[in-house]
Amino acid sequence: EIVMTQSPATLSVSPGERATLSCRASQSVRSNLAWYQQKPGQAPRLLIFDASTRATGIPARFSGSGSGTEYTLTISSLQSEDFAVYYCQQYSTWPPWTFGQGTTVETK
Amino acid sequence: EVQLLESGGGLIQPGGSLRLSCAASGFTFSSYAMSWVRHVPGKGLEWVSTISGSGENTFYADSVRGRFTISRDNSRDTLYLQMNSLRSEDTAVFYCAKGAPAGNDALFDYWGQGSLVTVSS
Repeated sequence: EIVMTQSPATLSVSPGERATLSCRASQSVRSNLAWYQQKPGQAPRLLIFDASTRATGIPARFSGSGSGTEYTLTISSLQSEDFAVYYCQQYSTWPPWTFGQGTTVETK
Repeated sequence: EVQLLESGGGLIQPGGSLRLSCAASGFTFSSYAMSWVRHVPGKGLEWVSTISGSGENTFYADSVRGRFTISRDNSRDTLYLQMNSLRSEDTAVFYCAKGAPAGNDALFDYWGQGSLVTVSS
C-alpha cells in the first residue's frame, strides 16, 4: 500500500497570502496524483489531477506541481472561500487507492 | 449536470446491516466506474470500494472485504453498497464518487453529498 503523507497538518494563512501544501508518497506515483478540497458539511471537490492539471472550473490561483514522490499544491492568493481541508490522493497503484490525512488551511 | 444522490444511511447497531444507494444522473452511468469513499469524523478520507462500469469487476479495501458488497443497476443508474457485520469503526459519512473519463477509475471527478452511517448500540 502506498502511504500518502501531507504537511503541514494545519496551515495558518492571511487572506491574500500564498499557501503551499505538500504531499509525499511512500513510493513513486508517477504523477497520478490528485488534490481535493473539502469544506465542512460538503463533499470533496476535485481541484487538480495528473499532479498539475486543473479540473473544470477551478480558478487559476490553484496550481499543482511535482513528480515521483513529492507533490505541492499552491494557492497563489488565498480567498475567503479557500479556507478548507485539502487532501492529496494517489491513483497510480491500486488497490487500495490512498489519501493523505489532510491539511487544514485556516485563517491566521 | 452530473448529480449523485446517496440514501440509506442511519443509526444501526453493531453487527447489523445497511444498504446505501446512490442515484446518478447527468452522465452515461454505465460508461464509468463508480466508487464509495468514506470520511470518518475527525479523520481523513478512506477509499472503500470500486465497481467497473459493466459491474464485472469489483475492488475492496481490506477493512471491508468480506463484509461489504458493491453493486450497480445500470438500468436504474444506481449504485449500491450492502454493508453487513457493521462495526463501530465503520461510522462515517459515505460518499459515492464517479470515476473520471479515459479509464481513470480511481480519479473521482464528481461526488455525492454523502450519507451518514452511525454504528452504535
